[in-house]
Amino acid sequence: ETGVTQTPRHLVMGMTNKKSLKCEQHLGHNAMYWYKQSAKKPLELMFVYSLEERVENNSVPSRFSPECPNSSHLFLHLHTLQPEDSALYLCASSQGGGGRNEQFFGPGTRLTVL
Amino acid sequence: AQTVTQSQPEMSVQEAETVTLSCTYDTSESDYYLFWYKQPPSRQMILVIRQEAYKQQNATENRFSVNFQKAAKSFSLKISDSQLGDAAMYFCALTPHTSGTYKYIFGTGTRLKVLA
Repeated sequence: ETGVTQTPRHLVMGMTNKKSLKCEQHLGHNAMYWYKQSAKKPLELMFVYSLEERVENNSVPSRFSPECPNSSHLFLHLHTLQPEDSALYLCASSQGGGGRNEQFFGPGTRLTVL
Repeated sequence: AQTVTQSQPEMSVQEAETVTLSCTYDTSESDYYLFWYKQPPSRQMILVIRQEAYKQQNATENRFSVNFQKAAKSFSLKISDSQLGDAAMYFCALTPHTSGTYKYIFGTGTRLKVLA
């Protein structure tokens, strides 16, 4: 595996389900990101972890819970979601922040909440 | 607040022709980076080109170049000799050039269609 991988690629869940999205980066980076991509809206930065410590948390509802057990893995735990949470969830990684370091994105998980 | 605006939801270009995608932004930061990312259908988003705000020279990467107008807060992307593989969503993004900053602000994207 190379780059940034995400599983599953597609997920359909009911509002009462609990599921998790997984992201893994094989680039040796020290920062990982979760974004939400909805049609006709800007990409929304949800969470950022640097060296396994959360450094950004952009007013995301508590039904989304991130976890970063090490610098290569990032999870997004989902519970009691709403239909408006249906979107493409992108994971990204970078070596440091500050803009000079390129972000590498995964293919995304297409989430549908029924 | 920092914002990025892409006013063209969709653009079309004939193969081998040139197209320009628009992006305007607002920030109170004195130094920052601007980016164009490409997201092909069902494929991963990749960086196309990056511009450091303190550099006056416009960035170029092969057929891709930018027109960076700092005073006007404008950052357009020009694609020359368009190819079918250029068809994608293009996102403009901004981040402050501050150590320890991980905040990236994206626009809504422009869908580019390339006509054969």
